[in-house]
Amino acid sequence: AQSVTQPDIHITVSEGASLELRCNYSYGATPYLFWYVQSPGQGLQLLLKYFSGDTLVQGIKGFEAEFKRSQSSFNLRKPSVHWSDAAEYFCAVGAVPMDSNYQLIWGAGTKLIIKP
Amino acid sequence: DTAVSQTPKYLVTQMGNDKSIKCEQNLGHDTMYWYKQDSKKFLKIMFSYNNKELIINETVPNRFSPKSPDKAHLNLHINSLELGDSAVYFCASSPRDREISNTGELFFGEGSRLTVL
Repeated sequence: AQSVTQPDIHITVSEGASLELRCNYSYGATPYLFWYVQSPGQGLQLLLKYFSGDTLVQGIKGFEAEFKRSQSSFNLRKPSVHWSDAAEYFCAVGAVPMDSNYQLIWGAGTKLIIKP
Repeated sequence: DTAVSQTPKYLVTQMGNDKSIKCEQNLGHDTMYWYKQDSKKFLKIMFSYNNKELIINETVPNRFSPKSPDKAHLNLHINSLELGDSAVYFCASSPRDREISNTGELFFGEGSRLTVL
């Protein structure tokens, strides 16, 4: 069965420091991979996605993620975090191909706390 | 312009009542969803509609009934509310791509926080 694991429930990082949020998935083939961010009191917003091609994908707000097939991982990174990055981050996996009845499999989320 | 809008944003009600949450998207997307997010932030899909047709209907009590009058609207009606229904309910939509039947990118509303007392 497909699953997504975000091993860290929360992570605390100092402002200006680098960030890596972990995501591991279980799927029989290469899935579609996504990172979403949820700011407090808001809906989720897509940060970036991987469908195929270059395994290092760039997203909005200075985030990037690297797909590593051998490790079944899709970790999210940012070289220097800002206080406004404090939010909940969700990794999600989609089955390939995506028919009308596809659904994303969601990780449990990682809460990012920024220390001043 | 708000892409995916939900109303109301907050809803506080008593057990046993019936309530509705409305969702509208102006993105021209074919597919719309309802998700439930519990207090631990866990996201669970409830329903999915594609062009007004019910596609995904997860294990959700019959008290929950979605209705899609047209492909831009997906409403959620809940009968006989229970304490466990307290959560944030998110509406989302997704576009279709010519090569990929569904891009997998979801556009979320801001959520409707339901509190059942």
